[in-house]
Amino acid sequence: AQTVTQSQPEMSVQEAETVTLSCTYDTSESDYYLFWYKQPPSRQMILVIRQEAYKQQNATENRFSVNFQKAAKSFSLKISDSQLGDAAMYFCAYRSNAEYGNKLVFGAGTILRVKS
Amino acid sequence: DGGITQSPKYLFRKEGQNVTLSCEQNLNHDAMYWYRQDPGQGLRLIYYSQIVNDFQKGDIAEGYSVSREKKESFPLTVTSAQKNPTAFYLCASSITHRDIRGYTFGSGTRLTVV
Repeated sequence: AQTVTQSQPEMSVQEAETVTLSCTYDTSESDYYLFWYKQPPSRQMILVIRQEAYKQQNATENRFSVNFQKAAKSFSLKISDSQLGDAAMYFCAYRSNAEYGNKLVFGAGTILRVKS
Repeated sequence: DGGITQSPKYLFRKEGQNVTLSCEQNLNHDAMYWYRQDPGQGLRLIYYSQIVNDFQKGDIAEGYSVSREKKESFPLTVTSAQKNPTAFYLCASSITHRDIRGYTFGSGTRLTVV
């Protein structure tokens, strides 16, 4: 079974600075998808960014970008120009393209605090 | 606006009682999911359903049951067999079970055993 590890329980960043959240995963598959979700204090889960494993180019969405290292099974999230609204719990998730069911496997999460 | 509605937002249950969490979506999605969130453990899959009248167990199905009689609805029952039911429960959906774009989530239900 696949596993997802987020080794940083908490991170802090100064407003307007850049922060990187780490995620590693364990799989024997070559075809899969990776996601970062944000869960603000409202607890509503919001999709931040998605990466297809077959694509070498790193995904970007405005201030959010990823560093996808397939061989190392690493999928970090970089947040540039951090804003107070970025404060949230961030979850990394894995989706197999071989298994039936569109199931997401989540990491334990990283709490991001943004200091003004 | 389309979305997923979970109710109630907060739920209290006495030990030994069954309780049902509601999840309704108006997105016309075929697939629906239930996850449990505990501090330090992320989200764990309880049950999922790819289509009406069909559902499968996830990783932590013991002590839970579901039904999928309508496309829009996927209620989760937490039974007295669930030993540690206090948690935050999230319902999600996707267009189909082949959808690679991730889920749409509800806003969750916080269940507390008193």
